[in-house]
Amino acid sequence: DSGVTQTPKHLITATGQRVTLRCSPRSGDLSVYWYQQSLDQGLQFLIQYYNGEERAKGNILERFSAQQFPDLHSELNLSSLELGDSALYFCASSVGGLAGVGEQFFGPGTRLTVL
Amino acid sequence: SQQGEEDPQALSIQEGENATMNCSYKTSINNLQWYRQNSGRGLVHLILIRSNEREKHSGRLRVTLDTSKKSSSLLITASRAADTASYFCATDAKARGAQKLVFGQGTRLTINP
Repeated sequence: DSGVTQTPKHLITATGQRVTLRCSPRSGDLSVYWYQQSLDQGLQFLIQYYNGEERAKGNILERFSAQQFPDLHSELNLSSLELGDSALYFCASSVGGLAGVGEQFFGPGTRLTVL
Repeated sequence: SQQGEEDPQALSIQEGENATMNCSYKTSINNLQWYRQNSGRGLVHLILIRSNEREKHSGRLRVTLDTSKKSSSLLITASRAADTASYFCATDAKARGAQKLVFGQGTRLTINP
């Protein structure tokens, strides 16, 4: 158990809909990272937050957004969903976010299926 | 685009044998990490090696790093059925001024009893 929790574990929805994925980092970790894993694209970095502020952006679509709240939990919002958005979405956390990238602790993931 | 690329894509060996996986990357790095992922589950951090280190050990794991060749290898000795998983290398890379981890496509390792 990494100490990172993600809800829900599974999500099935229809095209055009909007969903919210939730992540609680390990106690004491200030950085939260979101990743998308699909068969064709592999594991792709989406976005990072550090202590409530956006720190780094990766291949995140404009239809996707995220935020980190004062209690450090984070939410990833996916809107206008398309079939190609079906994937595993992982959240990871780490202690810092300022001096390079160290060890990250991954949650169990949310499997999103768009029908 | 992927920073790290693992080789081979898939590896199947007998229990007790050693497994070696390789990773190549394109740009300079601060550190390189290896992660394991059991099917459909979250990634688990195995080991981090810094750019000024050449070799690192952790239990049955041995990682080497050759920055001149931009490559790393992960050796698992005396493999066990529980080692069956996908293994990913990850390198840090600039992302609009901040650091991020870039993962390779992974090596799928199968340990046959």
